[in-house]
Amino acid sequence: DAGVIQSPRHEVTEMGQEVTLRCKPISGHDYLFWYRQTMMRGLELLIYFNNNVPIDDSGMPEDRFSAKMPNASFSTLKIQPSEPRDSAVYFCASTQGRGHMNTEAFFGQGTRLTVV
Amino acid sequence: QQPVQSPQAVILREGEDAVINCSSSKALYSVHWYRQKHGEAPVFLMILLKGGEQKGHDKISASFNEKKQQSSLYLTASQLSYSGTYFCGTDGSSGSARQLTFGSGTQLTVLP
Repeated sequence: DAGVIQSPRHEVTEMGQEVTLRCKPISGHDYLFWYRQTMMRGLELLIYFNNNVPIDDSGMPEDRFSAKMPNASFSTLKIQPSEPRDSAVYFCASTQGRGHMNTEAFFGQGTRLTVV
Repeated sequence: QQPVQSPQAVILREGEDAVINCSSSKALYSVHWYRQKHGEAPVFLMILLKGGEQKGHDKISASFNEKKQQSSLYLTASQLSYSGTYFCGTDGSSGSARQLTFGSGTQLTVLP
């Protein structure tokens, strides 16, 4: 397997624009997690899915953020409208089995988002 | 609640040892350790479940003291490849844990 695949790797957009980040988890993994990493706040969990169903979105900062997982092999994280404070590296991770409890999480290479 | 890692940064010479600590203010079910190199994704090192077990991974090992709600990562005879930021992730749930809260990281630099 090629691992968790995220696209794009880099995104530069203007404030107010819509941004869509994409993630393809490892085949057979039934949990998918979206994280945001910044210098100030570290690695934060935004939302996670189990079998394509959103389980906990309490980490989503605002209504401007939304995430979907239409099928087992694809998820999107959308920011609309984007703001400069959304600039960060966004990681997608997937695991098999009971989430993070006793299994390794595989992270994608991340999307570096810059909002100007 | 975010676990606290210490130290924030450490610089070593190749062959030296280091210890990175992770402590939580709440009861823990498991502790997970990841390493992230600059510009790359975090990579899994190991998981420790409650029970105080110690695990090893090459010359990197870790312990978990559930009573103290602490975990320590031990890097023995460090190699240049050990450089990176080490994160602990804690899981305070029991039986149905599904998410981790990561510490702010410890930046480890190994010099030749």
